[in-house]
Amino acid sequence: EDQVTQSPEALRLQEGESSSLNCSYTVSGLRGLFWYRQDPGKGPEFLFTLYSAGEEKEKERLKATLTKKESFLHITAPKPEDSATYLCAVLPQGAQKLVFGQGTRLTINP
Amino acid sequence: DTEVTQTPKHLVMGMTNKKSLKCEQHMGHRAMYWYKQKAKKPPELMFVYSYEKLSINESVPSRFSPECPNSSLLNLHLHALQPEDSALYLCASSQDRYDSQYFGPGTRLTVT
Repeated sequence: EDQVTQSPEALRLQEGESSSLNCSYTVSGLRGLFWYRQDPGKGPEFLFTLYSAGEEKEKERLKATLTKKESFLHITAPKPEDSATYLCAVLPQGAQKLVFGQGTRLTINP
Repeated sequence: DTEVTQTPKHLVMGMTNKKSLKCEQHMGHRAMYWYKQKAKKPPELMFVYSYEKLSINESVPSRFSPECPNSSLLNLHLHALQPEDSALYLCASSQDRYDSQYFGPGTRLTVT
């Protein structure tokens, strides 16, 4: 069964304290892995798509990486406005439906 | 422009009411989706339209009825809902069924 596990469930950091969020996946084949940011009561905001192991993408303070078993979302020198829930989802080969992880709730304290 | 719009932002309805949620995108995307999201949970897929045809129905109760009038619009018709249907309803679109999905801001639905 296709599965996505995100860790940790929640993470509190001080402003400027860099860290990483993990997304582990088990699929028969990967068509794509997607990262989203979601603020409370709002729709998920698309961040990155990764397709193959070794691929990396960056946007401002965020960098996403992909291996054959997991993806990391690295946050460098975060600011309070980076506080949100970060969702990881995979699209298995041959599937039309995203498999979501449970999300990581990130809080950045000033 | 990667914007998906949804109306209304908030909706309160009784169990005997009929209402509709609307979604619009002008990115030329050919796949559109309806999701339901409960608090502290990831989005849960309800329906997928591809090239204006329903391609996935995730065994959603018939009190939810989707409609895709054209390639830019997606509606969700609601009738005789239950209190447990209260949730954030999200619309999304993508270039095709296998591409990155872009979500709208959602409609917060409360069923009384």
